[in-house]
Amino acid sequence: EPEVTQTPSHQVTQMGQEVILRCVPISNHLYFYWYRQILGQKVEFLVSFYNNEISEKSEIFDDQFSVERPDGSNFTLKIRSTKLEDSAMYFCASREGSYTEAFFGQGTRLTVV
Amino acid sequence: AQTVTQSQPEMSVQEAETVTLSCTYDTSENNYYLFWYKQPPSRQMILVIRQEAYKQQNATENRFSVNFQKAAKSFSLKISDSQLGDTAMYFCAFAKDSGGGADGLTFGKGTHLIIQP
Repeated sequence: EPEVTQTPSHQVTQMGQEVILRCVPISNHLYFYWYRQILGQKVEFLVSFYNNEISEKSEIFDDQFSVERPDGSNFTLKIRSTKLEDSAMYFCASREGSYTEAFFGQGTRLTVV
Repeated sequence: AQTVTQSQPEMSVQEAETVTLSCTYDTSENNYYLFWYKQPPSRQMILVIRQEAYKQQNATENRFSVNFQKAAKSFSLKISDSQLGDTAMYFCAFAKDSGGGADGLTFGKGTHLIIQP
């Protein structure tokens, strides 16, 4: 069964460093998303991406964040100058069409120290 | 903006019992979708069931069913014959239907369901 794949599963980074979280969506999907879940809290929408551009972004998704689909298969989330409060589980998700459900990856646990 | 409220932080039932998880939402949209996602200890988000707001019939997936009350903006999940593997966080989620848009999901805070042997 096709699945969304995220790498790495766990990343530890020092405060102030830049990190890139990687996702490979399901191949025929057209809509891509990043979500964040701080430990013990709810899942929060960050950004959606369609047709090679950002479709929607939340208040959380400020200039510190950027997304890219560099090669037609990978979908990346870059976090510049990481802060302690960026520590969270980051989920990538993809959808085939606008009326279909989102499939989530297994998440990347980001720990900023 | 949409909000999703899950008023039960934690629930515990015996194996084989039926349990109902509550969810209410607030929106001014008329067309939207509602979902229940399961997050087991592995932390992966797994879709349990989905409901289109324009459908009056409640969605059912094997042991899982919903009670969708559009006027009351309520979307509860019923799990019948609960199993140990149902132990997980359950999140209610909302997505508006903007006619082809890539709208993200709005999640509730979740209910931690524990199935006791």
